Amino acid sequence: AQKVTQAQTEISVVEKEDVTLDCVYETRDTTYYLFWYKQPPSGELVFLIRRNSFDEQNEISGRYSWNFQKSTSSFNFTITASQVVDSAVYFCALSLSGYSTLTFGKGTMLLVSP
Amino acid sequence: EPEVTQTPSHQVTQMGQEVILRCVPISNHLYFYWYRQILGQKVEFLVSFYNNEISEKSEIFDDQFSVERPDGSNFTLKIRSTKLEDSAMYFCASSEARGGEQFFGPGTRLTVL
Repeated sequence: AQKVTQAQTEISVVEKEDVTLDCVYETRDTTYYLFWYKQPPSGELVFLIRRNSFDEQNEISGRYSWNFQKSTSSFNFTITASQVVDSAVYFCALSLSGYSTLTFGKGTMLLVSP
Repeated sequence: EPEVTQTPSHQVTQMGQEVILRCVPISNHLYFYWYRQILGQKVEFLVSFYNNEISEKSEIFDDQFSVERPDGSNFTLKIRSTKLEDSAMYFCASSEARGGEQFFGPGTRLTVL
């Protein structure tokens, strides 16, 4: 069975600091997809990124970047120059090829203070 | 921008009552899902639905739960006899393809008293 571990329960930073959220996954499948979602205090789940297991290129989108390393089964998320609006719970998730179930990690709460 | 919508935003019910949570997925999406999140905990998969039938379901999705697509736009989750432990935020999601990005609705907070 697959599993997603987000070991950091809560991270507090001051605005403009860089912060990395860790995600480690477990699966025996060779084809799978990895996701990050943001859940702001308002409660909705906002899709951030989807990565398939054959694409190990790092991705950058504005202040967000993702580092996918199959060798360590990790899909880490970095926010550069954090802002107060980045305060949210961030979830990493995994789905297997041929299935639609998303398996979520427990989430990391990020608090960015001014 | 198209989005998933859910109604109601908050539902309060008495234990043992039936509830129906409603969702309107993104119109060109073919896969539909329900997830739940007990307060402060992780998001848990309940069920996926494709081509008018359940394609996957979790252990949580027992006989008390059912899903339906009664018309071309709505996707519903019914809980037949609610229990206290059903209190949670229920999220509907949809995707164009299996394994694709799942876009979530704003959720329905269910409170069972």
